[in-house]
Amino acid sequence: ETGVTQSPTHLIKTRGQQVTLRCSSQSGHNTVSWYQQALGQGPQFIFQYYREEENGRGNFPPRFSGLQFPNYSSELNVNALELDDSALYLCASSLGASGGSKETQYFGPGTRLLVL
Amino acid sequence: DQQVKQNSPSLSVQEGRISILNCDYTNSMFDYFLWYKKYPAEGPTFLISISSIKDKNEDGRFTVFLNKSAKHLSLHIVPSQPGDSAVYFCAAETGANNLFFGTGTRLTVIP
Repeated sequence: ETGVTQSPTHLIKTRGQQVTLRCSSQSGHNTVSWYQQALGQGPQFIFQYYREEENGRGNFPPRFSGLQFPNYSSELNVNALELDDSALYLCASSLGASGGSKETQYFGPGTRLLVL
Repeated sequence: DQQVKQNSPSLSVQEGRISILNCDYTNSMFDYFLWYKKYPAEGPTFLISISSIKDKNEDGRFTVFLNKSAKHLSLHIVPSQPGDSAVYFCAAETGANNLFFGTGTRLTVIP
């Protein structure tokens, strides 16, 4: 049983560029949630994908978009990067999309993005 | 609009003593609360949870208390161990798919 993995671990981009972050779910999990954790803050929910469909979204603009693939891995895409997008991006996988699945939601180690 | 707040950014405790981490929330629709522990370079790890219909949940050295009228919860760790040193996040949900996290408290357990 493999855990949640994310790539890359670190990334530096310049303002206006686009970035794609990747997440591989824990084996058997069909739900992926993405979070943004700015420095000194707690994680903030971006969106969730359940069986390849977006299943809820936090207060993030449309330039944050995602995909989930048939193997339940996922991508987070951010267009027109801004300096405030610099953060740790966490993905978490779980089995099922309901609230009760949070206890079995496993987080990856994150991708640290720096926008210059 | 921070709906979940952890007002103490850091806490230091002697090994063997009790650690008490506090969390306040503003949204009365929250019906489930969770605590996560985070080590450097790792993602948050689920620690313990409590439903809004309960006021206490215990799991080994970890106990979470919920005071709904005060919109306050706390995590007690006793006895504290050096391996407990980490950042602790309080989180809350409404039963949907969104978790609201606090800003975290860094716990240092001094040997």
